[in-house]
Amino acid sequence: QAVLTQPSSLSASPGASASLTCTLRSGINVGSYRIYWYQQKPGSPPQYLLRYKSDSDNQQGSGVPSRFSGSKDASANAGILLISGLQSEDEADYYCMIWHSSAVVFGGGTKLTVL
Amino acid sequence: QVQLVQSGSELKQPGASVKISCKASGYTFTNYAMNWVRQAPGQGLEWMGWINTDTGNPTYAQGFTGRFVFSLDTSVTTAYLQISSLKAEDTAVYYCARGRDYCSSSTCYFDPWGQGTQVTVSS
Repeated sequence: QAVLTQPSSLSASPGASASLTCTLRSGINVGSYRIYWYQQKPGSPPQYLLRYKSDSDNQQGSGVPSRFSGSKDASANAGILLISGLQSEDEADYYCMIWHSSAVVFGGGTKLTVL
Repeated sequence: QVQLVQSGSELKQPGASVKISCKASGYTFTNYAMNWVRQAPGQGLEWMGWINTDTGNPTYAQGFTGRFVFSLDTSVTTAYLQISSLKAEDTAVYYCARGRDYCSSSTCYFDPWGQGTQVTVSS
């Protein structure tokens, strides 16, 4: 079982909100981890969006709109990237990342389609 | 502004070597770690490891030991990734990415990223 699991795709309408999940493998407690999120558009490198561990330990990337926010669902053992007020420019791949056992682990990525 | 500029695309035969450069500008090079990330065609991101730009000490992720070497030339604020004995499965885009916060404490994140270098291994 992968350390981080993301749904491969998600579709949402312009103006709506999208909740992208990053589920940690059983036995790895989401509450203990900072979860980092990146956005990657076709043909471009990833860009850092934000970090979320808790309401008191979180960070927005420089220039990242407040429409992007992080949270956790402890019951699902998952980190969440919430994008509100979806715009066509938000169509991209989104990756979550954690540090686990002194190594970086990326989720498989979610392709977000805005239509 | 902070910028990482990577070298251009490479086409190599199996068994050859390649050396990719990542030129940093707009900040003090030795104050931030440099990470390397691979992205195979149509696939996700895979962390290869990082190099301490102050000490030159590299840390390699599982699966990236032996044929992969991280190095530096601090005089020209450039990090390098060398891959030897290339295989078809090394075909990918390789990114350098500056480590923010403390990679040595396993808390860093990557910002910014270089534009990527396409390496194609084919006979």
